[in-house]
Amino acid sequence: SYELTQPPSVSVSPGQTASITCSGDKLGDKYACWFQQKPGQSPVLVIYQDNKRPSGIPERFSGSNSGNTATLTISGTQGLDEADYYCQAWDSSTAVFGGGTKLTVL
Amino acid sequence: QVQVVQSGAEVKKPGASVTVSCKASGYTFTSNDIHWVRQATGQGLEWMGWLNPNSGNTGYAQKFQGRVTMTRDTSISTAYMELSSLRSEDTAVYYCARRVVTNAFDIWGQGTMVTVSS
Repeated sequence: SYELTQPPSVSVSPGQTASITCSGDKLGDKYACWFQQKPGQSPVLVIYQDNKRPSGIPERFSGSNSGNTATLTISGTQGLDEADYYCQAWDSSTAVFGGGTKLTVL
Repeated sequence: QVQVVQSGAEVKKPGASVTVSCKASGYTFTSNDIHWVRQATGQGLEWMGWLNPNSGNTGYAQKFQGRVTMTRDTSISTAYMELSSLRSEDTAVYYCARRVVTNAFDIWGQGTMVTVSS
């Protein structure tokens, strides 16, 4: 079965740029989505189709996807960006999620 | 506004079944697939399957084949997910989510906690 691999944790200082990776076999041939989840809350879509932002998502969130790796980049990271982030892609008609990355802003 | 609202928390005994509902509002219920995703405490997101509210067609993750059933009632814009033969490992928050034309899950329910305990 298809698998997506994320680092368990990423740390960043306020105002700096955070990058969270998601790896999968030929992931660049698929579209990747990214979700933000804060404690006790439902996931929120922050990036779809590799690099598109839904309405209401700040411009500091961006995405890319090439080769075997998709990357979520948060520029000028703020304390409110501290959360778990999940990548997701489709393998045929099956949705596959990465294991999630805990972003710490310190 | 566009939203999906789920039913409340459930406590079940091992071997029992549970049904979680997901009521859509603010959009045409039959226009978008509804997917179900679960999350055990402290764990990641796990996709369970999908339902096409228009046709009633479904697709389930292999892991849940034979134990999960997804249905809908279009008259009340509500989707249902039934999980049977519950075991302790099924204790989790269950989410429904709408999939849009871009293949993204753009709207999620608030989650339903299902606890399986003797």
